[in-house]
Amino acid sequence: GQNIDQPTEMTATEGAIVQINCTYQTSGFNGLFWYQQHAGEAPTFLSYNVLDGLEEKGRFSSFLSRSKGYSYLLLKELQMKDSASYLCAVREGSGYSTLTFGKGTMLLVSP
Amino acid sequence: ETGVTQTPRHLVMGMTNKKSLKCEQHLGHNAMYWYKQSAKKPLELMFVYSLEERVENNSVPSRFSPECPNSSHLFLHLHTLQPEDSALYLCASSQDLGSLGADTQYFGPGTRLTVL
Repeated sequence: GQNIDQPTEMTATEGAIVQINCTYQTSGFNGLFWYQQHAGEAPTFLSYNVLDGLEEKGRFSSFLSRSKGYSYLLLKELQMKDSASYLCAVREGSGYSTLTFGKGTMLLVSP
Repeated sequence: ETGVTQTPRHLVMGMTNKKSLKCEQHLGHNAMYWYKQSAKKPLELMFVYSLEERVENNSVPSRFSPECPNSSHLFLHLHTLQPEDSALYLCASSQDLGSLGADTQYFGPGTRLTVL
């Protein structure tokens, strides 16, 4: 089984930088995903990490440390539209594998 | 984004009703999933299909019955549900059910289900 922890809520101001942390405990780690979900909408894929280090994609970056069971999602130059829930998900195992999701972090961006 | 569609978007049903949720993916994917999303809880995986075969059933009560007639369509048949089954039901698809690379899941918009 897996245990995935992320903060419940975070607030930030427009133009700022925010870091959303995710810690996990798992055997057979095989990748970590971040999704964004606006209220009433489908989760959409943001990033994927399987090796240690930083993956950058525009204003969003994601970091992974496998030895620490830790990841973060970094959002730069925050915009109002970034207000959403951010879901951390871990893939475990080989053969076939599915995702286990954290509860999500609700980010509120204010003017 | 119209890659994965779900109908209906909203459903209210009584505990004695029978209803079905429909999911369709237009991405040519081979794997499809049903998730339940309740307030303050993580997404819970319910069922997984690969090439129309069910490969996982996460201890879901029998009042939920999935059906996958082909690789593009997935149904969730509902009967004698309980109020605690009220939630957002999300369908997703991925290219395969493998475990390599960034083969991610694409989600539909969900069906908001309320059981009275």
